[in-house]
Amino acid sequence: AQSVTQLDSHVSVSEGTPVLLRCNYSSSYSPSLFWYVQHPNKGLQLLLKYTSAATLVKGINGFEAEFKKSETSFHLTKPSAHMSDAAEYFCVVSDIYGANNLFFGTGTRLTVIP
Amino acid sequence: DTAVSQTPKYLVTQMGNDKSIKCEQNLGHDTMYWYKQDSKKFLKIMFSYNNKELIINETVPNRFSPKSPDKAHLNLHINSLELGDSAVYFCASSANTDTQYFGPGTRLTVL
Repeated sequence: AQSVTQLDSHVSVSEGTPVLLRCNYSSSYSPSLFWYVQHPNKGLQLLLKYTSAATLVKGINGFEAEFKKSETSFHLTKPSAHMSDAAEYFCVVSDIYGANNLFFGTGTRLTVIP
Repeated sequence: DTAVSQTPKYLVTQMGNDKSIKCEQNLGHDTMYWYKQDSKKFLKIMFSYNNKELIINETVPNRFSPKSPDKAHLNLHINSLELGDSAVYFCASSANTDTQYFGPGTRLTVL
């Protein structure tokens, strides 16, 4: 069975400091992994995805994530937080049928302090 | 140009009513989905629909029914609304097994 665990429900950083949002996954095969962002009262936007190519994936808005099979992790990072990064972030894993079946983590709320 | 759109954005209604939420995608995708996001922000898939094949999450009550008039639309019909149906409902679409693109969501409040 596939699942993701987002280790922090809430992360707070100061503007200009690095962001780290942690995600661990469980899968019985090589999964596809995604990070989605949800700004307040908005829909979900794809930040980046990993589909068994390069393990370091670059996404939009300066975010990137590294797939580490040995650690079953897919943490999201950004070198310098911006106020506009404040949002809810979801780590997502797909099952063997591809992106048709997605399993969402419980989300991490990122607060950016001016 | 909105890729995946939903109407209405907000829906407030009384218990027992029947309501519909519309979803349209202009991406040419062949698969569409409905998700429910509860008050704790947890997202769970309700349905996926591809080429007239409907896959239903077994936990979804049969009061919920998706209807697809054509490839670009997947509307969600809900009968006999209950308080527990209050949530944000997201429509999404994808090209076969590729990345899903989400609509802006519809916040349903049942009084």
